Amino acid sequence: GENVEQHPSTLSVQEGDSAVIKCTYSDSASNYFPWYKQELGKRPQLIIDIRSNVGEKKDQRIAVTLNKTAKHFSLHITETQPEDSAVYFCAASKGNYGQNFVFGPGTRLSVLP
Amino acid sequence: KAGVTQTPRYLIKTRGQQVTLSCSPISGHRSVSWYQQTPGQGLQFLFEYFSETQRNKGNFPGRFSGRQFSNSRSEMNVSTLELGDSALYLCASSFHSGGLTGANVLTFGAGSRLTVL
Repeated sequence: GENVEQHPSTLSVQEGDSAVIKCTYSDSASNYFPWYKQELGKRPQLIIDIRSNVGEKKDQRIAVTLNKTAKHFSLHITETQPEDSAVYFCAASKGNYGQNFVFGPGTRLSVLP
Repeated sequence: KAGVTQTPRYLIKTRGQQVTLSCSPISGHRSVSWYQQTPGQGLQFLFEYFSETQRNKGNFPGRFSGRQFSNSRSEMNVSTLELGDSALYLCASSFHSGGLTGANVLTFGAGSRLTVL
């Protein structure tokens, strides 16, 4: 079955710096890759997603890149702010039948003021 | 538009008991998925229901079961509770019409935090 690895497990950056979180997946049939942000005590919320027919997607300070050949995708956050501090989860899904997402173990991002 | 509602939010049980958790999806969403979240294992997929049918199942023992009703509301049940079942159980709904249409965005509920003593 699918396996998703995520690195680093923790990341501390200074406010205003960039943060990059990388995920690798094992199943080449996976075609949908969302990123979820979970603040302390709150539910995971989608921040950006990408499908396998796209190499890059950007939404303001957040971008995701996908390399299908290498089977990895990355989250890029620029101009980080304290409110970006949270746990970030990547996920992979084949999406062709049903909603079976495999999540990475998460990255705890701390943005230091 | 109301979000995904999960009840109860918190509950405490003892080993050997059973528990039932409820999830009401966003209106119009027909797919309901359940995930177990623990500090050590992250988010683990339990199962997914669509139109009252279980479409996908994760790697959990048979003590974990679920169902979906005609109004898309879903319940999950854990029987013979073990200490290791202590976790946050998250329900997520999506507007997935099934078939070769690709995955859709999951919207999570706030979760039901289960503590097993």
